[in-house]
Amino acid sequence: AQSVTQLDSQVPVFEEAPVELRCNYSSSVSVYLFWYVQYPNQGLQLLLKYLSGSTLVKGINGFEAEFNKSQTSFHLRKPSVHISDTAEYFCAVVRISSGSARQLTFGSGTQLTVLP
Amino acid sequence: DTEVTQTPKHLVMGMTNKKSLKCEQHMGHRAMYWYKQKAKKPPELMFVYSYEKLSINESVPSRFSPECPNSSLLNLHLHALQPEDSALYLCASSQVVGRADTQYFGPGTRLTVL
Repeated sequence: AQSVTQLDSQVPVFEEAPVELRCNYSSSVSVYLFWYVQYPNQGLQLLLKYLSGSTLVKGINGFEAEFNKSQTSFHLRKPSVHISDTAEYFCAVVRISSGSARQLTFGSGTQLTVLP
Repeated sequence: DTEVTQTPKHLVMGMTNKKSLKCEQHMGHRAMYWYKQKAKKPPELMFVYSYEKLSINESVPSRFSPECPNSSLLNLHLHALQPEDSALYLCASSQVVGRADTQYFGPGTRLTVL
């Protein structure tokens, strides 16, 4: 089975500062990786995903993430945050396998709060 | 268009009521999912439908009854719920089960059981 660890449950940061949200995973097989964002009282929106190819993935709203296979990490970064980035962020993985239903395994989430 | 719609947005029901949640997508996706999300927690998978057939039931109590009448529509029938079932219920869809196609989520139904 795979698991996902989001190391920080809460990250406060000032507006226009850079931010990194950390995500580590463990799996005995290869996985695909995702970051989702959830704004208050809303559903989940896909920020970005890594399936294959370049390990640096760019997503929406200026976010990017880097897949590091040796460190089993997929940290999310943004060089300059805005108040509107305040939300809950979930890292998720799905195991690469054929012939079986895919299931997203979510981390516990990181609450990003951008301060004025 | 990557939209998944859910109705109603909010639902309040008593423990003896019967109600249904509805989810719809028109992206041609053949996999649809129900998740339950409690406050400050990640979503928990409840059911997966693949080509309109139930493929995964994560040991969900029988008071939750899913239905997939066609490839675009997913329902969750609720009966005799408990207050601890109060949560945000999320629907998602993806191109096909068995590949790492992205799951697209709806806005959710906020359920309160009195």
